[in-house]
Amino acid sequence: AQKITQTQPGMFVQEKEAVTLDCTYDTSDPSYGLFWYKQPSSGEMIFLIYQGSYDQQNATEGRYSLNFQKARKSANLVISASQLGDSAMYFCAMREATAGNTPLVFGKGTRLSVIA
Amino acid sequence: SAVISQKPSRDICQRGTSLTIQCQVDSQVTMMFWYRQQPGQSLTLIATANQGSEATYESGFVIDKFPISRPNLTFSTLTVSNMSPEDSSIYLCSVGGGALNTEAFFGQGTRLTVV
Repeated sequence: AQKITQTQPGMFVQEKEAVTLDCTYDTSDPSYGLFWYKQPSSGEMIFLIYQGSYDQQNATEGRYSLNFQKARKSANLVISASQLGDSAMYFCAMREATAGNTPLVFGKGTRLSVIA
Repeated sequence: SAVISQKPSRDICQRGTSLTIQCQVDSQVTMMFWYRQQPGQSLTLIATANQGSEATYESGFVIDKFPISRPNLTFSTLTVSNMSPEDSSIYLCSVGGGALNTEAFFGQGTRLTVV
């Protein structure tokens, strides 16, 4: 079964508008971490934001915030005031606390296109 | 944090040949991970490389096709052997943050095209 589901293959947003990228996850581990990465066309993976399963508040990092709904097992990324440079692939990923230093499991990604 | 230098950044190779990708980390790490990203797809874990032992491969990946070396705690190589056009992908090495709540760090990626 897929552990990370991103149902939006592609999204368009007008410059300066906010956009929400969806991510749902599946785990029976009570302790886990959720990550969002941005991959521009250059191919590098850029870490954006982290949310821990026990965190009481939603994570925020500049224009990025995470709408974490634990009961629904969703961790949606919200990008405010979109910029042309935000056009990229966005991946949601998870690490479970089975043993430290485990690899991330990635969703299929969402391609975001910001329109001027 | 960790800084990973990965090379080559891109290559175009003839089918039937092999390419070795190198990753150098600026600190000692126990595990290194190798991912493949096929065109338009997500990252798929190929293997986990521990220093001093054989790499652990994920289902669908075999050592004969993707041999990995891990001679020390800061360096690893992945070889893509006997390449075919289906091997055209981005290959990325990664190290974990060492704890649940720290991000994974990635090399810049190797964009491989097999012709």
